[in-house]
Formats: sequence, structure tokens, C-alpha cells
Amino acid sequence: ELKVEQNPLFLSMQEGKNYTIYCNYSTTSDRLYWYRQDPGKSLESLFVLLSNGAVKQEGRLMASLDTKARLSTLHITAAVHDLSATYFCAVDMRNSNYQLIWGAGTKLIIKP
Amino acid sequence: DTGVSQDPRHKITKRGQNVTFRCDPISEHNRLYWYRQTLGQGPEFLTYFQNEAQLEKSRLLSDRFSAERPKGSFSTLEIQRTEQGDSAMYLCASSLPWTSAVYNEQFFGPGTRLTVL
Repeated sequence: ELKVEQNPLFLSMQEGKNYTIYCNYSTTSDRLYWYRQDPGKSLESLFVLLSNGAVKQEGRLMASLDTKARLSTLHITAAVHDLSATYFCAVDMRNSNYQLIWGAGTKLIIKP
Repeated sequence: DTGVSQDPRHKITKRGQNVTFRCDPISEHNRLYWYRQTLGQGPEFLTYFQNEAQLEKSRLLSDRFSAERPKGSFSTLEIQRTEQGDSAMYLCASSLPWTSAVYNEQFFGPGTRLTVL
């Protein structure tokens, strides 16, 4: 059974600091997705990582994928308050119509 | 607006009543997913359609839940005899056909928040 674990589950940080969110998954998968969710809102796609070594950047967020280690990271550089949200990673479940298996989410609070 | 839409956005009902939600996917997307999300949790897969065919259904989905996508376009999710434990956000997502898509990026609607009293 494919399991996806995120850590930390909660992160409070100051503006201007750097931090990394980790996403581990339990079985082989080559595709990993990061989503953002604001309170009471739906999920917004941030990154799709398709292969080992993939790195994508958008503004202060950078995501990477290591399929051998079954690990993805979401790095936040010089955090700003607007990045406060819950961040989810999800992994393809290939033998089940490409169903996504989701992590529990990391709630990120960035204090001014 | 060409995104995924859901209706209603909020639904308050009494225990034992039936409710139905609607999802309109992005027009060129033939795959449609329903998820349930409770506070502080990630989305929980409920069911999946490719065109009008329901190809997968979570074993967690009780027989009170049923979903349809009769013409391969919009979909409905019905919950019969609602229980307080059904209170959650119900999310719909759609994606491109897998035969032509490089990846399985799912685009989500705004969700329907259900409160069962």
C-alpha cells in the first residue's frame, strides 16, 4: 500500500527565514505533485515533478524530487506572510488509474 | 471561467436527509474525481470516472454514497440518509485523458462544504 508522509505537519516561522518541507513515499512512483490550500479554499496546483532529479521553482518556492530516496522537498526561501497556507504533496498510484495518494499536509504560518 | 465548478458551495442539512452535489469539470478533461476532506486532513479519494464510466470506487465509500456522470460531462455525488460524520468538504477534480497527458495533474473545484446537523 502506498503511503505518503509529510513533515513537519505544522511549521511556524518568521518572515525572511528559509525552511524545507519533506515528503516521503513508500513505493515506486515517478511523479509527485505539490498543492497549496488556503483556509476554507480549494487546492491549487504548484508543481508537478516528473522524473528523478527534477527541480522546479516559482518565486520563493522550489521543489525537487529524488525517486531513488522516494523523497521530495519543498524549499521556502526568505518566507513572506503571503506564503502562509497548508501545503500537500501527492503521489501517483500507477496501478490504480493514476489515483493520487495524499500526504496529511504541512500547515505553514509565517509571522511578520 | 473555464475552471472546475461545483454547486452548491455550502449545504446544511439535517441528519437523515439526502443531498446531491454537482461538479462541472474543465471541458477537455475526460477524467473526473471526487474527494472528501475533513479539517486538518488531506483529500480522501472517493471515486473516479473516465468519461461516463466509473472505474474506481473507494472501499471506504458506503452504499449511501453514489456518483454518476451520465454523459461524460458533469457529475453528481449523492449522499443518502446523511449522518453527522458526513460533514466535510467535498472536492471535485478533473484531469486530461491519460493517453495524451504527460502527467496526472488534477485541477480542483472550489468544493462543497456539507454540514449535517
